[in-house]
Amino acid sequence: NAGVTQTPKFQVLKTGQSMTLQCAQDMNHNSMYWYRQDPGMGLRLIYYSASEGTTDKGEVPNGYNVSRLNKREFSLRLESAAPSQTSVYFCASSEGWGSYEQYFGPGTRLTVT
Amino acid sequence: GNSVTQMEGPVTLSEEAFLTINCTYTATGYPSLFWYVQYPGEGLQLLLKATKADDKGSNKGFEATYRKETTSFHLEKGSVQVSDSAVYFCALVPYGGSQGNLIFGKGTKLSVKP
Repeated sequence: NAGVTQTPKFQVLKTGQSMTLQCAQDMNHNSMYWYRQDPGMGLRLIYYSASEGTTDKGEVPNGYNVSRLNKREFSLRLESAAPSQTSVYFCASSEGWGSYEQYFGPGTRLTVT
Repeated sequence: GNSVTQMEGPVTLSEEAFLTINCTYTATGYPSLFWYVQYPGEGLQLLLKATKADDKGSNKGFEATYRKETTSFHLEKGSVQVSDSAVYFCALVPYGGSQGNLIFGKGTKLSVKP
């Protein structure tokens, strides 16, 4: 069991470039999430998918899009990267929607210059 | 709205010292409460949780009690080790079915010196 995997681990982009962060889980979880972590801010929810086929905005969705490709995979896309999107991005999954433990991936450190 | 406030860090302790990290929350109803830990260079791991008032969560020597009357969920450990050095996050999931995402505090960095 790999749990939650994320690719890439590190990425440097120039302003205006686009990229997709990949996330996959092998725990047959229904719900998946994307968070960003900034110094002194804790983690903030970008988007989530409560179940396969659904996605919803979280606290900080501007500048991002997501795709729940299937039950296992949930990708995050930056269409036109900005320096304000420099952050560490974490994907997480949980068995269901509600008070379930969330399992986190190792993170992607993104720098936008 | 829903929010979590935890003590500012960093916290520096000597090995075998007693640890308390304060956490208070604002939420309607009875949220579920969590402590997550992030070791350097890694993602977050669930440390413990409590889902109703007066529940005590415990794991690896850490404990926290869900106090509804004081809206608190303070993390304690009687004797810390160097290996406990990490960032600790208090979090909640609001009561009810409309939200399932975690709302995090800003994190408290703990450093334990030998």
